[in-house]
This record gives sequence, C-alpha cells and structure tokens, in this order.
Amino acid sequence: LAKTTQPISMDSYEGQEVNITCSHNNIATNDYITWYQQFPSQGPRFIIQGYKTKVTNEVASLFIPADRKSSTLSLPRVSLSDTAVYYCLVALNNAGNMLTFGGGTRLMVKP
Amino acid sequence: EPEVTQTPSHQVTQMGQEVILRCVPISNHLYFYWYRQILGQKVEFLVSFYNNEISEKSEIFDDQFSVERPDGSNFTLKIRSTKLEDSAMYFCASSDIPLNTEAFFGQGTRLTVV
Repeated sequence: LAKTTQPISMDSYEGQEVNITCSHNNIATNDYITWYQQFPSQGPRFIIQGYKTKVTNEVASLFIPADRKSSTLSLPRVSLSDTAVYYCLVALNNAGNMLTFGGGTRLMVKP
Repeated sequence: EPEVTQTPSHQVTQMGQEVILRCVPISNHLYFYWYRQILGQKVEFLVSFYNNEISEKSEIFDDQFSVERPDGSNFTLKIRSTKLEDSAMYFCASSDIPLNTEAFFGQGTRLTVV
C-alpha cells in the first residue's frame, strides 16, 4: 500500500493559485493518483485523477513528474468556498476495492 | 447529477442497541463502500461490496458490523450492539468500476451513541 505524505495545513488568499504537493515514494506501477475534497460534515468529493504528466479539468490541474513519486494538485484562483480538506490517495495495485484516506491537507482560504 | 443518498442524516441510539444505516447508491453502480469518520479524524475504510458479497474489509469491520443489499437499490450497514466509540459520521459510497476510479460519496449519517 503506497503511503502518502502531504502538508497538514495551508493558508491562502482569495484569487491566488494554490499548489498542494503529495509525496508517494513507493507508488506501484499500476497505481493511479487521485485527489478528493471534503467540506465539514460532508462526504469526500472526487476532484481529479491521473497516472502521469499533467491532467486538467474544470476544477483543478494535477501535475505528476516522470518518477511519479510525488504529485501536485493545483487550484487556480481559489475562493473562500475552496476552504476544505484535500486528500491525496494512491489506489491499491491489486484487485482490492478500497480507497485509503490519509490525514489530508486543511486549506484555509482567507479574504 | 446522480447522487448517493443516505438516511437518516442523524441517528441517536443507546449503547447496546442495534442500528441500521441506509444508503441508495447511484443506480448503475456495482461497487459499494462504507466509510466512517470519527469527529476530527480521518476517513476510515470499513468495507467494500460487490456482486452481493464483501470484497474487502478493514480491521474495524468486526463481527458487530454487517452489510446487506436487500433489494436492487438499497445498501445497508448494520451495527448489532453499538458502543460509545461507534459514534461517527458514516459515509456510503459507490462506483461503477473498482479501483483507481471516481467514487461518489453520500452526505453521511451522523451516529451518536449515548
């Protein structure tokens, strides 16, 4: 099981770009990297997923270097409503059906 | 947008009582999950379910817990004899394919054991 490490918390201001980096040194060949967002008292919500290089959707971008030992979630121009906990997950590389959440990064966006 | 729905949103029960938490996964999904989150702590995996049987379970998911898909739409988590430490948010999730994919989570049931 690939363990992930990410900062416990980050602060930002409205309108700024926020980059949250996650390290996963023992990621396996078949593992994908997935990011979830969780607001207080709500279930986690899928943001983005990637395998290598760069992935972009309407919400965020995900940068994965060639060695895949880390990844960076980039949130462009954050707003107050982006205040949440962001989780980096690396899925099991076998037939297991579970996502393992770590501690996440608590992002606080200030006005 | 399709969503996972959970009922009730909040349940208070006395220690030792049985509770059943209900979930309606997204209709075309085949993989179902229960997670829990104790206040202020991380989201913990309990169990995954596919093809009418458990495919993975964690150490938390002991004999006190059971899951069932009683009909084509509901997915339930039963706790037979609740303990104070079972107080948590319980999240149901579903996905259309397993592993490495987007799972959709419900809004959760807050279980309070008194």
